[in-house]
Amino acid sequence: KNQVEQSPQSLIILEGKNCTLQCNYTVSPFSNLRWYKQDTGRGPVSLTIMTFSENTKSNGRYTATLDADTKQSSLHITASQLSDSASYICVVSSRVNDYKLSFGAGTTVTVRA
Amino acid sequence: DGGITQSPKYLFRKEGQNVTLSCEQNLNHDAMYWYRQDPGQGLRLIYYSQIVNDFQKGDIAEGYSVSREKKESFPLTVTSAQKNPTAFYLCASRVQNSNQPQHFGDGTRLSIL
Repeated sequence: KNQVEQSPQSLIILEGKNCTLQCNYTVSPFSNLRWYKQDTGRGPVSLTIMTFSENTKSNGRYTATLDADTKQSSLHITASQLSDSASYICVVSSRVNDYKLSFGAGTTVTVRA
Repeated sequence: DGGITQSPKYLFRKEGQNVTLSCEQNLNHDAMYWYRQDPGQGLRLIYYSQIVNDFQKGDIAEGYSVSREKKESFPLTVTSAQKNPTAFYLCASRVQNSNQPQHFGDGTRLSIL
């Protein structure tokens, strides 16, 4: 069964600090990996998308990495802001079933002043 | 602006009642999806549609029904057969067979009266 595991489940950081979120997956054959940001009570919004050949992708203060060999990805948030408080969801797509995505349970990040 | 609109934002269901959640998109996407989000879990696929007048069951279709009479619209009915309907429901759309990310609506929170 294709699975996506995220860690930690939640974390609290001080404004201005950096943090890194982890995503491990077993989806095979791999197509692409996406990170989404979901604010409370809102729908997820795409941050980055990486295919097999890409090992890093940035979107402002967000930088995602991918190691397709070890099936691991990370999302690094630099110089955190209060608006970064949200749930971050890792989503992996298989080349076999393009329509069916595997979602992680998310990491809830709380940024405090 | 192009996007996905879900309504209502909050919905309450009485025992034995069917309720319908609306999802409309003006992104000209062929594929549309319905997900259920529960605390501590990844999104789970209820139904998806890749083309007008066609739709397929996802992982947790029991107790739900959909229709796709227009490209822009993909309503979800939560029937009385769904015994645990309390959840956050998310509608999404995307360009078919591409690496483009899914675009999500802002969800409908369904609760039982």
